Formats: sequence, structure tokens, C-alpha cells
Amino acid sequence: EVQLVQSGAEVKKPGESLKMSCKGSGYTFADHWIGWVRQMPGKGLEWMGIIWPGDSDSRYNPSFQGQVTISVDKSISTAYLQWSSLKASDTAMFYCVRTRVSANYDPYYFDYWGQGTLVTVSS
Amino acid sequence: EIVLTQSPGTLSLSPGERASLSCRASQSVASNYLAWYQQKPGQAPRLLIYGTSNRATGIPDRFSGGGSGTDFTFTISRLEPEDFAVYYCQQYGSSPRITFGQGTRLDIK
Repeated sequence: EVQLVQSGAEVKKPGESLKMSCKGSGYTFADHWIGWVRQMPGKGLEWMGIIWPGDSDSRYNPSFQGQVTISVDKSISTAYLQWSSLKASDTAMFYCVRTRVSANYDPYYFDYWGQGTLVTVSS
Repeated sequence: EIVLTQSPGTLSLSPGERASLSCRASQSVASNYLAWYQQKPGQAPRLLIYGTSNRATGIPDRFSGGGSGTDFTFTISRLEPEDFAVYYCQQYGSSPRITFGQGTRLDIK
């Protein structure tokens, strides 16, 4: 059974850093792109970026480029999403997603989802 | 950017009834690359349909999708109690500029 298990909820202050994790199991982690989707409170879904565990090649939604960093450690089948300086507007639920991609490695759709990590940024 | 507009915003039906949800795109979705997801309260979304009409692994055949170009539909042939949730469409024809609809809430009547 494919599973993506994310790290727990976080409460942070503006300006703090954060790194959340997503551990994949039940499939060959290195053989699939993995990414992140944001859901702000009461809002819809936004794709943030994806990464290839094999060589850490990453692709970002332009809206999130430079705002977050996606990384991976294939030796422990884990992907990460990190911020260097959080803002209140980063308050949201973040989902780790296994991602199907095009021949050019652009994201297509998301076939498995983690349970989500809730981030609350407040002074 | 392709804007997806889902309708209705909320649909109230009873178990056993048929549900039809609409997803309209602001421009044609290339290759009919459209997916549907289900999200229950407090849970992550789940992929139901990709490529307009292909069911994802393990998805019951009461769920189906259709359409082309700018108009797509998602149908649940006979509602089960566990089907009441929010449903999102997502286009990936203009990848990497993929977008989601705002969702349709399916409520128990």
C-alpha cells in the first residue's frame, strides 16, 4: 500500500524557519516525482513544486519560486518542504503528493496524498 | 492561466440519487487533461479520475467522468453515504500552469 506520512502540525512566529517532512513507503520512492500542494484555510488547492528523488531535479510553480525550498533524501525515502522566514500568510495545510508528470517532467496530477501538515504562523 | 469554474457550489442530494457536477474551463483544456478529487472533512484529497474519464486505482465504477474542450462533468451514479464530500476538478493540459477549481460541496439532503 502506497503511503505518504507527513510530520506533525507546527505553530511558528513570523520570521522563523520551518522544515517539514514526508516519508514515502509501499512503492519505489526513487521512481516517482514527489511534490507539495497548499490549501489555505477555507480555500482551494495550489500546486507548489515537485522534485525527482533520483537527482533532486526540482520544478516550482512560479508563484512559490523563491518562497520555499523542496528537497529530498532518497536514502530514507523522505521529501522536505522548507521556509527560511515564515509569514502569517503562510498559514495553511500542506500536502505531500506523489505526482504524475509529462514527458518533459511537468506536473500532471497527484495520485497519492499525505495526510497533511497544518502550519500556523502567528505572533 | 486557465480558470476552472465548478458548479453548483453546493449540491444537496439523498443517498441512492445520481449526482452530476460541472467543471467549466476558461479556455480549452489540452488533450482533455482533467482530473477529479474527493476531499472529506479533515482528510486529504483523493484522486478519483484522471484524463477526463479514467478511474484511479481502486475507485468504484459508480464514479465516472466525461466531457471535452471546456466543459467537463463528474457523475456519481448512485450516491453512497460515504460520497458526501467536496469535489475538485484540476486541469493539467497547460502544465506546469496547472489549476484547480474552487470545489463543489455535496451535502446529504
